[in-house]
Amino acid sequence: DTAVSQTPKYLVTQMGNDKSIKCEQNLGHDTMYWYKQDSKKFLKIMFSYNNKELIINETVPNRFSPKSPDKAHLNLHINSLELGDSAVYFCASSLLTGNGNTIYFGEGSWLTVV
Amino acid sequence: SQQGEEDPQALSIQEGENATMNCSYKTSINNLQWYRQNSGRGLVHLILIRSNEREKHSGRLRVTLDTSKKSSSLLITASRAADTASYFCATDAWYGNNRLAFGKGNQVVVIP
Repeated sequence: DTAVSQTPKYLVTQMGNDKSIKCEQNLGHDTMYWYKQDSKKFLKIMFSYNNKELIINETVPNRFSPKSPDKAHLNLHINSLELGDSAVYFCASSLLTGNGNTIYFGEGSWLTVV
Repeated sequence: SQQGEEDPQALSIQEGENATMNCSYKTSINNLQWYRQNSGRGLVHLILIRSNEREKHSGRLRVTLDTSKKSSSLLITASRAADTASYFCATDAWYGNNRLAFGKGNQVVVIP
């Protein structure tokens, strides 16, 4: 009964490779996100999709490309990986209402670029 | 720009003591939320306080909000070892672009 699930949990890859992280939510939410958490635990939003439409696109290198095939899925593809991409990537989802935007997070994907 | 800035960054307390952490932000908000992150896990929502509220309770958690000072505090009473985690505040800006901005987080260690 996992709410927000993302795979893989751990990913070690060499510089220059291309990798993808998949995310699925079964909460019936209409909005999904990708966050990046660095080594100092600072959490920064990268992208947000509402009903498959991109609504937030922060200043992220265009090597990062999100894709939302449907409301329940938001995948993140990263091209030409660099050392600085090493971080924890969190997928999250929420239901946009007028009562506050509570976000449900996945368990994170630990990306290490060597 | 970073919305929430927690202070202090690290706190070590004995089990049974209270833990207090603070958060400041820069812009007007609709609401402020607190999240907990256990080591190696995702963030979990704890409590939400709206801009027109001053205090809110949930179990052993007490949150205050002072919009004039643009600050909030989270109090955990009678702490337990299981409360050991990082705690983040996050603000939902008044202009409603659904952009929840997170602060750096407070590391709380509760010693049994």
